[in-house]
Amino acid sequence: DTAVSQTPKYLVTQMGNDKSIKCEQNLGHDTMYWYKQDSKKFLKIMFSYNNKELIINETVPNRFSPKSPDKAHLNLHINSLELGDSAVYFCASSQGGRPFYNEQFFGPGTRLTVL
Amino acid sequence: DQQVKQNSPSLSVQEGRISILNCDYTNSMFDYFLWYKKYPAEGPTFLISISSIKDKNEDGRFTVFLNKSAKHLSLHIVPSQPGDSAVYFCAASGNNDMRFGAGTRLTVKP
Repeated sequence: DTAVSQTPKYLVTQMGNDKSIKCEQNLGHDTMYWYKQDSKKFLKIMFSYNNKELIINETVPNRFSPKSPDKAHLNLHINSLELGDSAVYFCASSQGGRPFYNEQFFGPGTRLTVL
Repeated sequence: DQQVKQNSPSLSVQEGRISILNCDYTNSMFDYFLWYKKYPAEGPTFLISISSIKDKNEDGRFTVFLNKSAKHLSLHIVPSQPGDSAVYFCAASGNNDMRFGAGTRLTVKP
């Protein structure tokens, strides 16, 4: 009974393609996040989102966009994939309306490889 | 711009002894700090947090210390157990932002 789930776990694709990674949380949390873990193992926040506010890290290219069909889901869409997008992407969620100030529950990660 | 630094990439301790993991930050806007533990092929798991209005927070074997003037925090694990072997990430929050350190790999030897 996974709290935060991501699909797929692995994604291998060609440069230029468009892909999506799905994230679902069954914790009833208000805020969801996407992180990128790069080759140097740094976890970098990409987006945080609740039903009131989307906070975007200014360094994230606009090829990346979060889509939230409902409070339990925050999917990540990536257009025109580039080699440098290869990384592990983590989804997370937290309770409360103030992002970053509560314990976050992370999904298992999606390893994206762009060829 | 590495605003959160964990200068020790790895640490090895004997079972039963204390593990001390260190973290430094540069941005004075950070006012909430967290530690996460990560096992291979899994997402990070929350361990403990501390607000900038405190200098210590304790939860069982885990204690986090915050020195605001030095912009330094540390995680103490005592006694250390082999199951504590993992990568530990320090994180700092503030001003609608959150930054993670690069992690410290802790190995606890039986």
